[in-house]
Amino acid sequence: KNEVEQSPQNLTAQEGEFITINCSYSVGISALHWLQQHPGGGIVSLFMLSSGKKKHGRLIATINIQEKHSSLHITASHPRDSAVYICAVAKNNNDMRFGAGTRLTVKP
Amino acid sequence: NAGVTQTPKFRVLKTGQSMTLLCAQDMNHEYMYWYRQDPGMGLRLIHYSVGEGTTAKGEVPDGYNVSRLKKQNFLLGLESAAPSQTSVYFCASSYLVRSGELFFGEGSRLTVL
Repeated sequence: KNEVEQSPQNLTAQEGEFITINCSYSVGISALHWLQQHPGGGIVSLFMLSSGKKKHGRLIATINIQEKHSSLHITASHPRDSAVYICAVAKNNNDMRFGAGTRLTVKP
Repeated sequence: NAGVTQTPKFRVLKTGQSMTLLCAQDMNHEYMYWYRQDPGMGLRLIHYSVGEGTTAKGEVPDGYNVSRLKKQNFLLGLESAAPSQTSVYFCASSYLVRSGELFFGEGSRLTVL
């Protein structure tokens, strides 16, 4: 079983819809990252969380340390949000593990 | 400010050949990482470094070696390339591993024939 599980694997939405991507992990962590990978392959960091909730524009990330679960929400989705979203956890020994990614397609 | 730069961007090797990938960062980051990304597998950590002169194994270290002789550079070496090492390789850096944002290079596509 992977240490980091993401769901769904693929997600198609209509422009304007509210989107949720989930990440569950099974190891002790010091931080959790949400990353975005665009079709061209480049990877950018969206959020780094160790507790609570963070918001950047239309993106919101939450984490529940007790339940070992994090969610990434996108409000008022737009076609430019189409990308692969990746959950990554920094383990307590500085090692990192990644989810397989969620491929999001937002249709106009 | 270039951020994280990987060289080369593309490389084709024959089985058994050796090569080195260079990752350079200009942000004075302590932590640097090498990952590989394969279809359906997601990103996997190969090796990482928590500071100049230190390296550690990640999830998939076999067949790779690394060195961090200078703080700004993290080298990934393949001593005898195998077709299983065909992949896209990403380097990343952060100031703090436990609370720092990750900055990624653009990726290096390696094909081993």
